[in-house]
Amino acid sequence: GEDVEQSLFLSVREGDSSVINCTYTDSSSTYLYWYKQEPGAGLQLLTYIFSNMDMKQDQRLTVLLNKKDKHLSLRIADTQTGDSAIYFCAESKKNTGFQKLVFGTGTRLLVSP
Amino acid sequence: DTAVSQTPKYLVTQMGNDKSIKCEQNLGHDTMYWYKQDSKKFLKIMFSYNNKELIINETVPNRFSPKSPDKAHLNLHINSLELGDSAVYFCASSQDRGDTQYFGPGTRLTVL
Repeated sequence: GEDVEQSLFLSVREGDSSVINCTYTDSSSTYLYWYKQEPGAGLQLLTYIFSNMDMKQDQRLTVLLNKKDKHLSLRIADTQTGDSAIYFCAESKKNTGFQKLVFGTGTRLLVSP
Repeated sequence: DTAVSQTPKYLVTQMGNDKSIKCEQNLGHDTMYWYKQDSKKFLKIMFSYNNKELIINETVPNRFSPKSPDKAHLNLHINSLELGDSAVYFCASSQDRGDTQYFGPGTRLTVL
């Protein structure tokens, strides 16, 4: 099927690290993405990783990719209250030669002071 | 300086009406998309256009008709609105059909 799965909720304290996990379905996905959605707002691209990479670091964000298990994770170091949002992973899937994004169910991250 | 913009931001209407949502991108991208986000925050692609041509149509009812007058605009017209059409609709664009997608702020449609 097309299910990209994420846990629904994650609660952490300010200053801790957050790890959001995602399992995807298509081993031929070229890129995998993380988007952030704040309340009442649109989707903001956070980072992405090419499928031939295992890890990508971008300031407080670290993306880990395990292609064998089709598992993607996003680690946020020193989590702040402003990081509270819904985080979506997405895989790119080929659709008759064109790419489409298939999104996960979203993980709601709550950061408490 | 907004990259992908949508109007209106909120739309409240009665069942059976016809409405349109507009999307514009000033990024010079060739490909544009419409996504629907339901009340459980689940996001699913509806359509994609590349250089004004339809390339993806994800079994959306034919009451939904996208129109692309030029490659910077992709509008969504919805006929005979139903309660189940209530959702947030996001427009997105990418440089080419395989590239990173950038999203608009969304239009919250409420059908009464």
